[in-house]
Amino acid sequence: DTAVSQTPKYLVTQMGNDKSIKCEQNLGHDTMYWYKQDSKKFLKIMFSYNNKELIINETVPNRFSPKSPDKAHLNLHINSLELGDSAVYFCASSQMGFGTEAFFGQGTRLTVV
Amino acid sequence: QQQVKQSPQSLIVQKGGIPIINCAYENTAFDYFPWYQQFPGKGPALLIAIRPDVSEKKEGRFTISFNKSAKQFSLHIMDSQPGDSATYFCAAGKGSSNTGKLIFGQGTTLQVKP
Repeated sequence: DTAVSQTPKYLVTQMGNDKSIKCEQNLGHDTMYWYKQDSKKFLKIMFSYNNKELIINETVPNRFSPKSPDKAHLNLHINSLELGDSAVYFCASSQMGFGTEAFFGQGTRLTVV
Repeated sequence: QQQVKQSPQSLIVQKGGIPIINCAYENTAFDYFPWYQQFPGKGPALLIAIRPDVSEKKEGRFTISFNKSAKQFSLHIMDSQPGDSATYFCAAGKGSSNTGKLIFGQGTTLQVKP
């Protein structure tokens, strides 16, 4: 029973297109995140939502818009895709509190051609 | 001030060796230091974590050493096995904050040869 699941696992699309990545967690956590992992494996936080409310937006371009319909779901919509958006995007969740573990999904490998 | 610097970038050891991965941070407000392990095609998974009020924490073959005054911490893997081959990330966060944000190091790719 997957704890944090993302779809799709792979996404290949052309420049200029709009695409979405979906994420769901069944851990009952109140906080969800999007991280970006570049080609050098560097992981950087993009967004964080706590109980459907945006609490972190790490200077991500406006083309990226997260949406949290409820605390178990956090989707990422990307407009006007660019070559530089190619990366692996990870959804994660945790329970807010001191030093709680973040659980990561399997990742979505986005390739913009 | 938000950076976490990790070294080495890659590491090759023989089975049974003790790889050591080092991390350094600048922001003294960080109070939570986890290590994550990532296998190819998978998401990172928590391996072990430490708070700055202790200097060492051991879980199985994995040990974190923490030096608060030097703002450094390291991961030691005892009796390393080929199955430990993965990418390891250190991270730092303000556990007492309400954001859960983690700053990750650059990652270390470990290969354990049989």
